[in-house]
Amino acid sequence: AQSVTQLDSHVSVSEGTPVLLRCNYSSSYSPSLFWYVQHPNKGLQLLLKYTSAATLVKGINGFEAEFKKSETSFHLTKPSAHMSDAAEYFCVVSVTYSSASKIIFGSGTRLSIRP
Amino acid sequence: DTGVSQDPRHKITKRGQNVTFRCDPISEHNRLYWYRQTLGQGPEFLTYFQNEAQLEKSRLLSDRFSAERPKGSFSTLEIQRTEQGDSAMYLCASSLVQGTPPYEQYFGPGTRLTVT
Repeated sequence: AQSVTQLDSHVSVSEGTPVLLRCNYSSSYSPSLFWYVQHPNKGLQLLLKYTSAATLVKGINGFEAEFKKSETSFHLTKPSAHMSDAAEYFCVVSVTYSSASKIIFGSGTRLSIRP
Repeated sequence: DTGVSQDPRHKITKRGQNVTFRCDPISEHNRLYWYRQTLGQGPEFLTYFQNEAQLEKSRLLSDRFSAERPKGSFSTLEIQRTEQGDSAMYLCASSLVQGTPPYEQYFGPGTRLTVT
């Protein structure tokens, strides 16, 4: 069975400080992992994806995520938060087997940025 | 390439009425997904198509829901006898499935349904 847990429903940081959004997953198969961002009244946008080529994945807007198999984690980080980073972030697990795919979204983490 | 589009963007309907939503994926994409998102939650998978074939349906997709992708291009999602619990944002996504995963999904802006 597959599942994804975002450990914080809300994270608040000051502008210019680091961001850490936590995600743990469970999967019976080798998963594909993604982070998506959803700004208010806008569609979901892909931030980054884990492809198994490298455990540290770089995405758009300065975000990174590190795949840690031993910890079943895929946490999202950014060294310095910007006001425009305020949004909802979703960790996603996708498993493809035979001709089927299973896609599960986490419940989301709302990121607030304090001036 | 104009991305994934959905129509309408907003729909208000009375309980018991039928509604139909349309999704136009990115033109060369062979896979199309439908999700439902309620306030404060992540999108929940409903169903997906590989070309015109509907390959998987979530148990969330009751018999009041039906989806089609007749020519492997656009898709429709119909909800019959709507209930207040159907009020949500309905999201469509598409992807190009070829080679090895992962297959990135591109999302449309969604259709917000309000059932009164």
